[in-house]
Amino acid sequence: DGGITQSPKYLFRKEGQNVTLSCEQNLNHDAMYWYRQDPGQGLRLIYYSQIVNDFQKGDIAEGYSVSREKKESFPLTVTSAQKNPTAFYLCASGPRAYGYTFGSGTRLTVV
Amino acid sequence: AQKVTQAQTEISVVEKEDVTLDCVYETRDTTYYLFWYKQPPSGELVFLIRRNSFDEQNEISGRYSWNFQKSTSSFNFTITASQVVDSAVYFCALSEGIQGAQKLVFGQGTRLTINP
Repeated sequence: DGGITQSPKYLFRKEGQNVTLSCEQNLNHDAMYWYRQDPGQGLRLIYYSQIVNDFQKGDIAEGYSVSREKKESFPLTVTSAQKNPTAFYLCASGPRAYGYTFGSGTRLTVV
Repeated sequence: AQKVTQAQTEISVVEKEDVTLDCVYETRDTTYYLFWYKQPPSGELVFLIRRNSFDEQNEISGRYSWNFQKSTSSFNFTITASQVVDSAVYFCALSEGIQGAQKLVFGQGTRLTINP
């Protein structure tokens, strides 16, 4: 079945560590997106990529980095510069015409 | 700038009641798309509907219906004869333009609880 796979489901980060969240899709979509969700809030866009080897900052990109070396993969790194990384992270892929497809998310906690 | 407002933070009803979730949006574009998503406790967002700015026809899908009114910039969602399985957080979202990033802007979400 086609879809988006996010891993791990739960992730714990120590202060000062970088961690990478995985997002893989087999839908042959060009566009991919990373969103952050905080409790009781909507989703905010971190980064997006419309094509391989290209990506753009979203509304809250500070403290995050991404790469898009393959069409299927769009990993997100949460760097030590992100001061409040505890959140639920969702990856999505387009196209818009079909309403986007979302992964099941990664819950990141700072310990 | 685009913005989506879901003024109802939480709604709680008894099973079989009808319930309407409100969504108001702001955009300067004449071409845009509106969406509703359901987020069950598992966390994954489930796509419910997409509507473009040129199609104001209301839509019904089983117990779900959507009322799109450009005059009031609203895209409301009604669940008829609600069921416990409808309990979730519901998000309204907006995507502007024809080309470009086509990114989504979300409302804050409405937590819907259906009590047996």
